[in-house]
Amino acid sequence: AQTVTQSQPEMSVQEAETVTLSCTYDTSESDYYLFWYKQPPSRQMILVIRQEAYKQQNATENRFSVNFQKAAKSFSLKISDSQLGDAAMYFCAYRRRNQFYFGTGTSLTVIP
Amino acid sequence: DVKVTQSSRYLVKRTGEKVFLECVQDMDHENMFWYRQDPGLGLRLIYFSYDVKMKEKGDIPEGYSVSREKKERFSLILESASTNQTSMYLCASSPPWGGYREQFFGPGTRLTVL
Repeated sequence: AQTVTQSQPEMSVQEAETVTLSCTYDTSESDYYLFWYKQPPSRQMILVIRQEAYKQQNATENRFSVNFQKAAKSFSLKISDSQLGDAAMYFCAYRRRNQFYFGTGTSLTVIP
Repeated sequence: DVKVTQSSRYLVKRTGEKVFLECVQDMDHENMFWYRQDPGLGLRLIYFSYDVKMKEKGDIPEGYSVSREKKERFSLILESASTNQTSMYLCASSPPWGGYREQFFGPGTRLTVL
């Protein structure tokens, strides 16, 4: 089975600063997708950013970007200019065919 | 606006009761999933379905069953609820494999079994 590891259960960042959340995964496949999801307190899980494994270029979505290192099986999320609304649980996820695998999450606190 | 809805946000049941959690999606997705979310454990897959009347066991199917009679609806059933099934339950749906194909999640049902 595939595994997804988020080694930082909790992180904090000052408002307007940059933070990086780590994710590693284990797979023998070459074709797969990676995602970062955000779950604000008591709110719905939403997609932050996605990355196709065959694309070398790192995905970006406004203040959110990833550092995708396929050989190292690493997929970190960088949040720039952190805002109070970024406070949430963040989950890294891997998709291969119809199977999705999630990490245990990183709780991000944004300090005003 | 795509939507996955779940029948209840909060539910309180007694030990031994039969519990139904319902999930409906309006995106015509083939795949639907039920997860359990517990602190420190992330999301654990209970069951998923890739087509009507089709189901596959996930990582923690014991004590649960599912039903998918229509494409848009996926139900999770706790045949005899127990206190260790107190948890947050998340439903999700996705298109089939290919292209940018993430999951879309419902708001979750927080179930308490007394």
